[in-house]
Amino acid sequence: SQQGEEDPQALSIQEGENATMNCSYKTSINNLQWYRQNSGRGLVHLILIRSNEREKHSGRLRVTLDTSKKSSSLLITASRAADTASYFCATDEGNSGNTPLVFGKGTRLSVIA
Amino acid sequence: GAVVSQHPSWVICKSGTSVKIECRSLDFQATTMFWYRQFPKQSLMLMATSNEGSKATYEQGVEKDKFLINHASLTLSTLTVTSAHPEDSSFYICSAGRAGKAREQYFGPGTRLTVT
Repeated sequence: SQQGEEDPQALSIQEGENATMNCSYKTSINNLQWYRQNSGRGLVHLILIRSNEREKHSGRLRVTLDTSKKSSSLLITASRAADTASYFCATDEGNSGNTPLVFGKGTRLSVIA
Repeated sequence: GAVVSQHPSWVICKSGTSVKIECRSLDFQATTMFWYRQFPKQSLMLMATSNEGSKATYEQGVEKDKFLINHASLTLSTLTVTSAHPEDSSFYICSAGRAGKAREQYFGPGTRLTVT
């Protein structure tokens, strides 16, 4: 079943601007991950944040997690046209690679040069 | 390391025929593999969980007799779409959990199935 909800569903920004995407989930989790998917392609793992972490950085990406609100945000700073893609959050309730991920509906980001 | 491949990357078949999709973990052993389906402009939906040497566990609403899953070895799982229909046209993605490694799954590049 799908438990994540991304907000907004679609986002269009100018190159150089920051893009913020939000994700909400329903159940308790062990970790939350963000993925990128270019049109018609596979998933690219961006970042994983554990349930006991509040913020994590990776290059131009910043992820926050608020377990009390069951929400996470992904911030992409200084966006580039190459960042155009769909972004999904995914959660799992287990603590191993043997637990399926539950994906949110995704945000389609368009970065205009 | 931790590469997952899928074959074929795309396939077109006629309605009523069967199609087999392979998912391989190339450099690690995967005790568990997952099959997801993604319709255009939608998210990934889990279809089934495949454990090596045992029967797959299907999600509610997924017909096990239509989507046959075999996980005969620690590096290979196959999904066979039997008697395919146009509504089965979708993007099928597998992922593999790495034995002994927590928290990470590795996704294949996906297979685009078009049923005419």
